[in-house]
Amino acid sequence: GAGVSQSPRYKVAKRGQDVALRCDPISGHVSLFWYQQALGQGPEFLTYFQNEAQLDKSGLPSDRFFAERPEGSVSTLKIQRTQQEDSAVYLCASSPWAGRNYEQYFGPGTRLTVT
Amino acid sequence: AQSVTQPDIHITVSEGASLELRCNYSYGATPYLFWYVQSPGQGLQLLLKYFSGDTLVQGIKGFEAEFKRSQSSFNLRKPSVHWSDAAEYFCAVGAASNNNDMRFGAGTRLTVKP
Repeated sequence: GAGVSQSPRYKVAKRGQDVALRCDPISGHVSLFWYQQALGQGPEFLTYFQNEAQLDKSGLPSDRFFAERPEGSVSTLKIQRTQQEDSAVYLCASSPWAGRNYEQYFGPGTRLTVT
Repeated sequence: AQSVTQPDIHITVSEGASLELRCNYSYGATPYLFWYVQSPGQGLQLLLKYFSGDTLVQGIKGFEAEFKRSQSSFNLRKPSVHWSDAAEYFCAVGAASNNNDMRFGAGTRLTVKP
């Protein structure tokens, strides 16, 4: 079946631009996660949704980062006024279970480069 | 807070040789443990997981891992490595008693020599 998909796969933004990254989770998965992965590092947690409710946004690095999942399926991660330190791969994952402590199914990621 | 450490940043093995990737965790209660693999340009794929029971768990692609509570370790093994196993491997730990946490290690990059 279809896995988690993310778009765009690559995004180049000039510093100061706003970007929007999309995640399509596996159909029926209640949990959705966003991670930031710097080069040579493991995924760092950004935020977690259970259905449409954002239960944890403690990992968002600044108020320039905003995520939503209005209908409990597709999610968008928005970064306003991008900075060079925002350059990273942004991974989306989904899970059929509530909570962060079970296995997650990952998308291929969006590589964001801020110039 | 829980944490997970992968001591080896990069490992090189010859094709056909055995492999062991190390993972150590720090957590006071029973952990949920996972190994994921990430090929270049791809997302993470689950190899295997441990929740409870038999401490030796089998996964996909011929991988296995053993949970050793006394050593706080969950090392990944494979008896004979294939060139297609070259990838980044991540250990992750979740909390059995707290469903609001999951930590990933920094990863071990595996290179396979022909």
